[in-house]
Amino acid sequence: ILNVEQSPQSLHVQEGDSTNFTCSFPSSNFYALHWYRWETAKSPEALFVMTLNGDEKKKGRISATLNTKEGYSYLYIKGSQPEDSATYLCASPNAGGTSYGKLTFGQGTILTVHP
Amino acid sequence: DTAVSQTPKYLVTQMGNDKSIKCEQNLGHDTMYWYKQDSKKFLKIMFSYNNKELIINETVPNRFSPKSPDKAHLNLHINSLELGDSAVYFCASSQDQGVAGTEAFFGQGTRLTVV
Repeated sequence: ILNVEQSPQSLHVQEGDSTNFTCSFPSSNFYALHWYRWETAKSPEALFVMTLNGDEKKKGRISATLNTKEGYSYLYIKGSQPEDSATYLCASPNAGGTSYGKLTFGQGTILTVHP
Repeated sequence: DTAVSQTPKYLVTQMGNDKSIKCEQNLGHDTMYWYKQDSKKFLKIMFSYNNKELIINETVPNRFSPKSPDKAHLNLHINSLELGDSAVYFCASSQDQGVAGTEAFFGQGTRLTVV
């Protein structure tokens, strides 16, 4: 059973559009929520690590929010550019009653930004 | 000066062979991991080591044996390779065992093809 879920699975937007997608995770025994960006033929790179309810983090045009009580996080991209095309992964160390230190990843949202 | 490096990047081998994938990190991290990207593109943890000690063994067949000669290296040895072992394997490292508040750094992946 997948405990970290992301939606939508894929998303196509036009250059300049703003977009957002969702990560759902178990809200009990929460430790942290990670967001990673994974470009084709490269390895995942961390965008944010969020630990506090109500956290909001920003890196350039990308930002993320966290609601640990209801178990969701949103990732926002403002003014999407073709170079933003990638798979965006979220991960949680607590999902599914797992051991401390075991990141459980969602299936990812594949974002394609069309010029 | 790659932070987490894996070798080889591609590995094609016959069923029944034994092969190893090497991983090294120069970040001074205490914890290293092996992840497998399955057929649905999920990243699933296989093993976690902290300061050369096995922390997580995620019900992986015992044909897979990780070895950590020091905390900067975590190698993956696979005996009697099977067709189903074909996948992309990612090594990663993080500052602390919990991962909770620290991001994971990934290697570029090793694409293993068993024929």
